[in-house]
Amino acid sequence: QKEVEQDPGPLSVPEGAIVSLNCTYSNSAFQYFMWYRQYSRKGPELLMYTYSSGNKEDGRFTAQVDKSSKYISLFIRDSQPSDSATYLCAMSANSGAGSYQLTFGKGTKLSVIP
Amino acid sequence: TAGITQAPTSQILAAGRSMTLRCTQDMRHNAMYWYRQDLGLGLRLIHYSNTAGTTGKGEVPDGYSVSRANTDDFPLTLASAVPSQTSVYFCASSELAGGLGEQFFGPGTRLTVL
Repeated sequence: QKEVEQDPGPLSVPEGAIVSLNCTYSNSAFQYFMWYRQYSRKGPELLMYTYSSGNKEDGRFTAQVDKSSKYISLFIRDSQPSDSATYLCAMSANSGAGSYQLTFGKGTKLSVIP
Repeated sequence: TAGITQAPTSQILAAGRSMTLRCTQDMRHNAMYWYRQDLGLGLRLIHYSNTAGTTGKGEVPDGYSVSRANTDDFPLTLASAVPSQTSVYFCASSELAGGLGEQFFGPGTRLTVL
């Protein structure tokens, strides 16, 4: 079993829909959870960063972490065509000697249709 | 601010040839990273550097070498390229060493090894 599992999609939704993107993980040592957005032929860029269980909201985006279930989610409200991208979850754990190793999910490709 | 620049943008390389992918950041970040991104496999860490003068191995280091002579530059060298090294390569940096905090990504280098 991979440490981080993410459904690759593709996911296609109409403009204005609520989108739910999810990742599950097996390593209980993961402490920091992130969502990156990657537009086609570009590098990933950080969208959301959370440390603890619970919800974090930023505009139309909400990140949710459930450590007990080893499950994280990203919700996008009122989705826009400009949200069309690949979304990667990422998590980090202490790998020893003060270093943290970041592990990425494979990414979910989202298309928002006007 | 340029952030992270990578060169070349793309390259076709004959198997057995050597090549250096260049990465430069202007943010004075301590840590730098090299990832490869492959369809179905996601982003995988090749090598990293927590500070100038130090480097470490990531998940897939074989066939690659790095150096970190100064804060700004982190070149990745393929000594003798093989077709399995065909990929998109991303350089990243973070202010915090050891994989903590936001990682900023460059635009990527598309490498094809024939």
